[in-house]
Amino acid sequence: EIVLTQSPATLSLSPGERATLSCRASQSISNSLAWYQQRPGQAPRLLIYEASNRASGIPARFSGSGSGTDFTLTISSLEPEDFAIYYCQHRFNWPLTFGGGTKVEIK
Amino acid sequence: QLVDSGGDLVQPGGSLRLSCAASGFTFSDFAMSWVRQVPGKGLEWVSGISAGGGSTYHADSVKGRFTISRDNSKGTLFLQMNSLRAEDTAVYYCAKVRRDWYYFDDWGQGTLVTVSS
Repeated sequence: EIVLTQSPATLSLSPGERATLSCRASQSISNSLAWYQQRPGQAPRLLIYEASNRASGIPARFSGSGSGTDFTLTISSLEPEDFAIYYCQHRFNWPLTFGGGTKVEIK
Repeated sequence: QLVDSGGDLVQPGGSLRLSCAASGFTFSDFAMSWVRQVPGKGLEWVSGISAGGGSTYHADSVKGRFTISRDNSKGTLFLQMNSLRAEDTAVYYCAKVRRDWYYFDDWGQGTLVTVSS
């Protein structure tokens, strides 16, 4: 099973600041990684797929990068609605797994 | 749109069947999955099924106890859960898989399963 480790666990930032979230895979997964956002009381929402492709309707301030074992989600300038929990997920093989999540909170 | 239902309080060792009603897209064209989340914790993929229903996949934690199935004529996804344990307590989401890659581009609202005596 591929383990995805997300860091940091919590990121405390102010609106307008840049957020950089990390996801590290226990083995190389090429670019087979997605990022999701989950707001309180809501289902997750797909943001980025195949490491760097924005999903439909996702603002341009969200970007993804990386390949192999190290991946990054960047939010260029935080909006109030971006304070949430972010998860990465791989599709490289079965079982699919998710990272433990990074909470982006208001400083 | 995906609407999950069937969550309930059930005793350890009991059974439950979850349903997910799909609308707004051609259900039979897409693979589907169930993903669960213990309240306050992270996401765990549980089970997946191909568009036609011929291939299914399960996490080791539920293999032999849970069965995923679908009725393409009714646009409905199911999860039959047997031999339930306390650690199965979670919100269960059905999720639609993208056509090209196995990522989840639409989710139900979730249904809560509580396993407790």
